[in-house]
Amino acid sequence: NAGVTQTPKFQVLKTGQSMTLQCAQDMNHEYMSWYRQDPGMGLRLIHYSVGAGITDQGEVPNGYNVSRSTTEDFPLRLLSAAPSQTSVYFCASSDGTGVAEQFFGPGTRLTVL
Amino acid sequence: AQTVTQSQPEMSVQEAETVTLSCTYDTSESDYYLFWYKQPPSRQMILVIRQEAYKQQNATENRFSVNFQKAAKSFSLKISDSQLGDAAMYFCAYSVYGGATNKLIFGTGTLLAVQP
Repeated sequence: NAGVTQTPKFQVLKTGQSMTLQCAQDMNHEYMSWYRQDPGMGLRLIHYSVGAGITDQGEVPNGYNVSRSTTEDFPLRLLSAAPSQTSVYFCASSDGTGVAEQFFGPGTRLTVL
Repeated sequence: AQTVTQSQPEMSVQEAETVTLSCTYDTSESDYYLFWYKQPPSRQMILVIRQEAYKQQNATENRFSVNFQKAAKSFSLKISDSQLGDAAMYFCAYSVYGGATNKLIFGTGTLLAVQP
């Protein structure tokens, strides 16, 4: 049972490049989320999903796209990277029941030059 | 909109002593959940403790306990018998009850140092 996995762990992009951050979970969780962590700002919700085929925007969705074709996977796409997207990105999942614990992946540190 | 405020950017405690980290939040909801997460230098987010707002009893997990004051919208974390491994960034977080409970709203964090 690997929990929540994220790839890559580190990435450097140039402004304007696109890339996909991968997230997968093997706990059969319905709920998955993407957060970004910036110094002094805590974690902020980018996009979330309550099941396969269902996604919605969080607090800071601009510049990011998501899709959820399977229960296991929830990729985050940066269409045209900008320096403001330099951050640490966390994927999380939960079963969404009651005061459900969210399980976080190890994070991806992204630098946009 | 809901907000979470952690007014202590940094705290320090001596090993074996007790420390309390503060958290206040703002919401118009009557039912919600509150969490404390720990983030050590490894960057991994680890759930420390959670509280359901409709429960009056304060949550406890071993050396970690909370003081939940619903009327004051306060949710402080007490760490007893502090250990070197407790050194980390601590985040207070809120989520709505009954909705998409994976929508966590985080505070800005408190960096806890433990002195030997």
